[in-house]
Amino acid sequence: QIMLTQQAESLWISPGERVSITCRASQSLLYTDGKHYLSWYQQTPGQTTKALIYHASVRTDGVPTRFIGSGSGTEFTLSIEHVQPEDFAIYYCLQTLKSPWTFGGGTKLELK
Amino acid sequence: EVQLKESGPGLVQPSQTLSLTCTVSGFSLTDYSVHWVRQPPGKGLEWMGVMWSGGSTAYNSALKSRLSISRDTSKSQVFLKMNSLQTEDTAIYYCTRPTGSNYFDYWGQGVMVTVSS
Repeated sequence: QIMLTQQAESLWISPGERVSITCRASQSLLYTDGKHYLSWYQQTPGQTTKALIYHASVRTDGVPTRFIGSGSGTEFTLSIEHVQPEDFAIYYCLQTLKSPWTFGGGTKLELK
Repeated sequence: EVQLKESGPGLVQPSQTLSLTCTVSGFSLTDYSVHWVRQPPGKGLEWMGVMWSGGSTAYNSALKSRLSISRDTSKSQVFLKMNSLQTEDTAIYYCTRPTGSNYFDYWGQGVMVTVSS
């Protein structure tokens, strides 16, 4: 199965800063349609899980433009520009290229 | 409106079988897959398995020997059964539905399952 590694379990940042969260896959997530099947999710303390990015770089409806997904092949990044107080949460990547689908271990944004 | 709702026992004894139901509305199980995801307290999300729209299933390899997913399309329900439960199976269990672009856009509220004697 495809393994996803989020190296950082926690990242300490201050509001207004820019942060990047990385996700590394054990094999390429590029499909023959030219799209990468990698999505990003935000989980808040109330346990609400919300999709932010799909196909590595496409924001879902209503997601602020400060959330930027990038990457290709096996290396992906979720960047948050000018972090807001409501962005302190846990972020997960998910690959949906091949079954079984797999999540990364999660990265928690913490207030410095 | 798309909705998913999990139901099942909050407490299961060790070595027993967990049975959960995901009742969906606003879409057909023959058009969309439904997945099960769990999250132990203080830990990350774990993909468990899926009931594909065509009726086939796929499972997390770590759980495959204990896990079974089925459905009743007439009742818009997807079922999860997992046997030989241990304390490490204590978690919030979610059912969730992906879009055509293969990301999860709708989630149930989750059901907390505690494995304890």
